[in-house]
Amino acid sequence: GAVVSQHPSWVICKSGTSVKIECRSLDFQATTMFWYRQFPKQSLMLMATSNEGSKATYEQGVEKDKFLINHASLTLSTLTVTSAHPEDSSFYICSAREGGGGNEQFFGPGTRLTVL
Amino acid sequence: DAKTTQPPSMDCAEGRAANLPCNHSTISGNEYVYWYRQIHSQGPQYIIHGLKNNETNEMASLIITEDRKSSTLILPHATLRDTAVYYCIVSYRYSGNTPLVFGKGTRLSVIA
Repeated sequence: GAVVSQHPSWVICKSGTSVKIECRSLDFQATTMFWYRQFPKQSLMLMATSNEGSKATYEQGVEKDKFLINHASLTLSTLTVTSAHPEDSSFYICSAREGGGGNEQFFGPGTRLTVL
Repeated sequence: DAKTTQPPSMDCAEGRAANLPCNHSTISGNEYVYWYRQIHSQGPQYIIHGLKNNETNEMASLIITEDRKSSTLILPHATLRDTAVYYCIVSYRYSGNTPLVFGKGTRLSVIA
């Protein structure tokens, strides 16, 4: 299957700092990428959908000024958590879908963010 | 909101078949049934998908009822490494911007 990578796999930061998470599709071009977050013992919650070269579409309740998403190329999307606070500590997972729409959604390994 | 109902947890003896049920009574004609699993602290892993017919791949089999209102994922010979949360998701396939929406899934514990 297609491979999606994320970097870093885990990060610890101080409250008030910004953190950038990268998501790459390694062996296919992803026209659409999705960002999810997952709190302990809960399911994945969709945060936003991004298409290459376009602004991301955020789910209700997700602050677009706090969670900046950039999908500048067909193989890379980034999520920047600005002015992170302890309540932003979570497991962030990206997902990518190859162009054409008929292909499955493949997920990255996730990034564990801990804000102190 | 997720459109599927799954039991919260199941146990299975190692080496036996694990049968994971899913109800999706409101599925529409063009929606597919997808199964993913998530091993602890990892991203979800694609398992299988189907529309009407039963499907089989190297990981599992998917049995969909004739009325498409329910399905069963079968892991023929469960191993300890199959311990994970299994998600049944219904979604349109040919819509690039439509994301997969996850419910609570079934936590499968494979016991030695």
